[in-house]
Amino acid sequence: EVQLVQSGAEVKKPGESLRISCKASGFHFATSWIGWVRQMPGKGLEWMAIIYPRVSDVRYSPSFQGQVTISVDPSISTAYLQWTSLKASDTAIYYCARPISGSYQGFYFDSWGQGTLVTVSS
Amino acid sequence: DIQMTQSPSTLSASVGDRVTITCRASQSVSSWLAWYQQKPGKAPKLLIYKASSLETGVPPRFSGSGSGTEFTLTVSSLQPEDFATYYCQEYSSFAWTFGQGTKVEIK
Repeated sequence: EVQLVQSGAEVKKPGESLRISCKASGFHFATSWIGWVRQMPGKGLEWMAIIYPRVSDVRYSPSFQGQVTISVDPSISTAYLQWTSLKASDTAIYYCARPISGSYQGFYFDSWGQGTLVTVSS
Repeated sequence: DIQMTQSPSTLSASVGDRVTITCRASQSVSSWLAWYQQKPGKAPKLLIYKASSLETGVPPRFSGSGSGTEFTLTVSSLQPEDFATYYCQEYSSFAWTFGQGTKVEIK
């Protein structure tokens, strides 16, 4: 069974850094894509970034390029999402999800973590 | 970027009703469309991929159809556990855009 278990809720101040995590099990992590999806309060879903651990192939949504960093530690089947300087507008739930290659350049998400609530407030 | 527009935004229905949600793309996405269900406080769940393929374990009362720019998600007989928000997502382009969601409420 595919499982994605995310780290707990975070409360941060603007300007602080943060790294959240997602531990995967039930599938071969190194040869599967893994990614992050944002859901702002009361809003819809936005994919942010995905990574292929075996070769560290990374793809960012243009909306999030330069705003966050995705990384992995294949030795512990864990993916990370990192901010260097948080803003209040980063307040959201962040889901770890497993992308499945569908079309030539497209992915959909077949498994999801439970979500990590990040609150950024002064 | 491709824009995905769902209608209606909110739908009121009763248990046992047949429910249809529409998702329109601003340009053709072929059959590269997925549908998700999200319950309050929970992560999204994949229901349908490639417009009409049912994800393993999803009840057969859910079905998807369409191609090009117009797609539908149908629930043949709404069950109490189906009251949720539904999202479509195109994966034809690099943008992988989600629709804004359709909330299915109890009438």
